[in-house]
Amino acid sequence: DIVMTQSPDSLAVSLGERATITCRSSQSVLYSSNNKNYLAWYQQKPGQPPQLLIYWASTRASGVPDRFSGSGSGTDFTLTISSLQAEDVAVYYCQQSYTTPWTFGQGTKVEIK
Amino acid sequence: QVQVVQSGAEVKKPGSSVKVSCKASGGTFSRYALTWVRQAPGQGLEWMGGIIPIFGTIHYARKFQGRVTITTVQSTSTAYMELRSLRSEDTAVYYCARGFDAYGSGRPDGFDIWGQGTMVTVSS
Repeated sequence: DIVMTQSPDSLAVSLGERATITCRSSQSVLYSSNNKNYLAWYQQKPGQPPQLLIYWASTRASGVPDRFSGSGSGTDFTLTISSLQAEDVAVYYCQQSYTTPWTFGQGTKVEIK
Repeated sequence: QVQVVQSGAEVKKPGSSVKVSCKASGGTFSRYALTWVRQAPGQGLEWMGGIIPIFGTIHYARKFQGRVTITTVQSTSTAYMELRSLRSEDTAVYYCARGFDAYGSGRPDGFDIWGQGTMVTVSS
């Protein structure tokens, strides 16, 4: 199984400041046939289902504000919130869908400092 | 606008089974990846299993092998997840989600449509 490890487990950022979350996979999730990384990021607010933010490691899902960006390839990935807003308080998860089981990271809780 | 609507909360006895449904309203599950994920109280997301339609395959997490079955009924655009031999540790919110696969690679690009979740409580 591919193990997904996020860091940090939690972080507190001031409003308007940058938040950065990393995700590392135990093996590459880059599919050579189409040069896509099968790595997605989800945001989950309390009492709500997860919401897709980023897929293919760096493509924003429909309707996602451009302050959210993803980067990385192979085994190392980053989610950046360029200017944290109050509504961004949530838990963020990475997930690989390169191969089953489609494993999640343990989650990173983002709070306001 | 496709929505996924799940069945309501359940309370079950240890050793029993639960079957959660997930209906695509305004759309279908046909040709889309489908996944089931659960979340125990205060915990993270745990993948249970999924369907890769382009291969016609269903995959389960090793942890649930033999205890879980995922099915779909295309005529009603409904998916089901049945979990058997319930124990207290199965108390969780269960989610289904529909995914997309733009390249037809058999690898979902992401899961963009989620059900609202179904709380399953296992208690004697």
